[in-house]
Amino acid sequence: EVQLMESGGGLVKPGGSLRLSCAASGFTFSNVWMTWVRQAPGKGLEWVARFKSKADGGTADYAASVQDRFIISRDDSKNTLYLDMNSLETEDTAVYYCATVGAAGFDYWGQGTPVTVSS
Amino acid sequence: QSVLTQPPSVSGAPGQRVTISCTGSSTNIGSYDVHWYQHLPGSAPKLLIYDNIHRPSGVPDRFSGSKSGTSASLAITGLQPEDEADYYCQTYDSNLSVSLYVFGTGTKVTVL
Repeated sequence: EVQLMESGGGLVKPGGSLRLSCAASGFTFSNVWMTWVRQAPGKGLEWVARFKSKADGGTADYAASVQDRFIISRDDSKNTLYLDMNSLETEDTAVYYCATVGAAGFDYWGQGTPVTVSS
Repeated sequence: QSVLTQPPSVSGAPGQRVTISCTGSSTNIGSYDVHWYQHLPGSAPKLLIYDNIHRPSGVPDRFSGSKSGTSASLAITGLQPEDEADYYCQTYDSNLSVSLYVFGTGTKVTVL
């Protein structure tokens, strides 16, 4: 059974940093592209970042809203995806989900971890 | 500010049919497949329809999808109380100034 479990969310001040983790199990993590998606309070889903598998180049892509502030990475030896969030803004307040990037759509999702950016 | 537009809400009585539209442009829906997600508050989003019309294993056949030009639609026939949720369309976008992946604005389905 595929399982994705996010952790690391919490309260942080504007300008601060936070690292999110996503522990994966039930599939061959190293073969799968992974992504982060967020949902701000009262808003819809917003794609944040993607990390390809090493076999497909192991590169990262970002939404314009987080480019140069967030860094997505993965540790295939630990079956874990990360999101390092820097220079956080109040607009980054959201529930952050990790998900697998399937051949068609984001096929498995975690339960999410909440991030609140507030002074 | 999503580039895919959905109606904010739709509603129907149990057993009725409701449809949700998703309108985009030539750089997204007009060029790529559309996927649909069901999201119940407090839980993980769930892939409901992929590649415009296909249902993952386990998704009831009362859910169906379609696509034409720069628009896509999700239909729920025989609406059930457990279908009350938020629904999002999603696709890829080739406009680099937008985003690699784009979601619709979301539609709340209410079962009366």
